[in-house]
Amino acid sequence: ELKVEQNPLFLSMQEGKNYTIYCNYSTTSDRLYWYRQDPGKSLESLFVLLSNGAVKQEGRLMASLDTKARLSTLHITAAVHDLSATYFCAVDRSYGGSQGNLIFGKGTKLSVKP
Amino acid sequence: SQTIHQWPATLVQPVGSPLSLECTVEGTSNPNLYWYRQAAGRGLQLLFYSVGIGQISSEVPQNLSASRPQDRQFILSSKKLLLSDSGFYLCAWTQGWRLGYTFGSGTRLTVV
Repeated sequence: ELKVEQNPLFLSMQEGKNYTIYCNYSTTSDRLYWYRQDPGKSLESLFVLLSNGAVKQEGRLMASLDTKARLSTLHITAAVHDLSATYFCAVDRSYGGSQGNLIFGKGTKLSVKP
Repeated sequence: SQTIHQWPATLVQPVGSPLSLECTVEGTSNPNLYWYRQAAGRGLQLLFYSVGIGQISSEVPQNLSASRPQDRQFILSSKKLLLSDSGFYLCAWTQGWRLGYTFGSGTRLTVV
């Protein structure tokens, strides 16, 4: 059974600081997705990582994937208040198959304070 | 461009009442469709998925059911709601895992 673990689950940061969110998963997969969720809202896609060593960046966020270590990271650079949200990683359970079923981590609630 | 619609946005229903939530996707054909539920203490849970008209796979035993009567329409139903059915229901679609998964705006269901 595929399990996805995120840490930390809660993160309080000061503006301008850097931090990393970790996402570990238990079985082989080369398909990992990061989402953002604002309170009361749906999931917004941030990154799609599809191969070992994949790195993608958007603004102050950078995501990477190490399939051998079964680890993805979401790095936040010089945090600003607008980044406050809950961040989820999700792993495609159907490795090698045709349809994707995402298994989500529990989410990391990020709060950026001035 | 492709868009996904979900309705209603919020719903308050008494225990034992029926449920019908609808999701439609525009601007694409033959998408894979998914129903997820986000509930306190249980995280984001895949409920059903469909790879084509009339094809439904269930992930979690429960009193909910899903149907796909048309290519781009996905419906979540229940004959009798339970308190434990409360949650935030999200529909999602993809044209392939390489392209990622897009979520609808969600329906917040409260069973009272």
